[in-house]
Amino acid sequence: DAGVTQSPTHLIKTRGQQVTLRCSPKSGHDTVSWYQQALGQGPQFIFQYYEEEERQRGNFPDRFSGHQFPNYSSELNVNALLLGDSALYLCASSLGGAGRRNSPLHFGNGTRLTVT
Amino acid sequence: QKEVEQDPGPLSVPEGAIVSLNCTYSNSAFQYFMWYRQYSRKGPELLMYTYSSGNKEDGRFTAQVDKPSKYISLFIRDSQPSDSATYLCAMSPNRDDKIIFGKGTRLHILP
Repeated sequence: DAGVTQSPTHLIKTRGQQVTLRCSPKSGHDTVSWYQQALGQGPQFIFQYYEEEERQRGNFPDRFSGHQFPNYSSELNVNALLLGDSALYLCASSLGGAGRRNSPLHFGNGTRLTVT
Repeated sequence: QKEVEQDPGPLSVPEGAIVSLNCTYSNSAFQYFMWYRQYSRKGPELLMYTYSSGNKEDGRFTAQVDKPSKYISLFIRDSQPSDSATYLCAMSPNRDDKIIFGKGTRLHILP
C-alpha cells in the first residue's frame, strides 16, 4: 500500500526564484493538504485541495498557490522566494466526502527547501 | 495567546519509565484531537486520534482529553529508546477544518 510520496526530497533555490513541489496521495485518498514546518516548529496549514478545488486556506500570501490533478496528485508552487520560505514542506492526504469522518491525515516525508 | 501550547522540551527519561506529554489550548471549539510522532528527517506519523473528551488506549499509548480544562495528554508506558522522537499534538474544530499543531516536544529515552 503506497503511502504519501513527495518529490523532490531536497531543493536549494535562490531568493526571487520560483519552485514547484509535488505530492502523490496515499492510495484511495482524494484530499491533499499542504503544510509548512519551520525548524523547531509544528506544521502550519497552507491549503487543502479536494475535487481539484482549493477548499481551505491558511494565513499564507498569494505567492503560495497549488493545484490538484484528476488523479488526486497535487503541486505546491511558491513564487518570489524569500529566505523565510526555507522550511520542510509536508503533504498530507485523507479521504474527503462521505468517508471523511474516520480518515485522519497521513503525511509524506516532506521536501526540504533551502532558499539562499 | 497561541491557540495550542506545547512545551518543546527536550524531555529525557530512562528506558522503561512512563512518559507524560501535554498540550493546552485556548479554542473551546476544538473537538478532534491527535498525537503525531515525528522522527528526524521524516514526516509526522499518526499515533492517536480522539473525538471530544475521554481516554483512548492503544498498546503502550494512552491519550486523554479534558475539554473543561482545555488540556490533552499522551502517556507512553514502558518507554523504549525507539520512542525517542518529537511528539506533536494537533487539533481541529471539525473533521474538515484545518488542523492546528503544537510546536512539538522532543523526547529522549535513555537506554
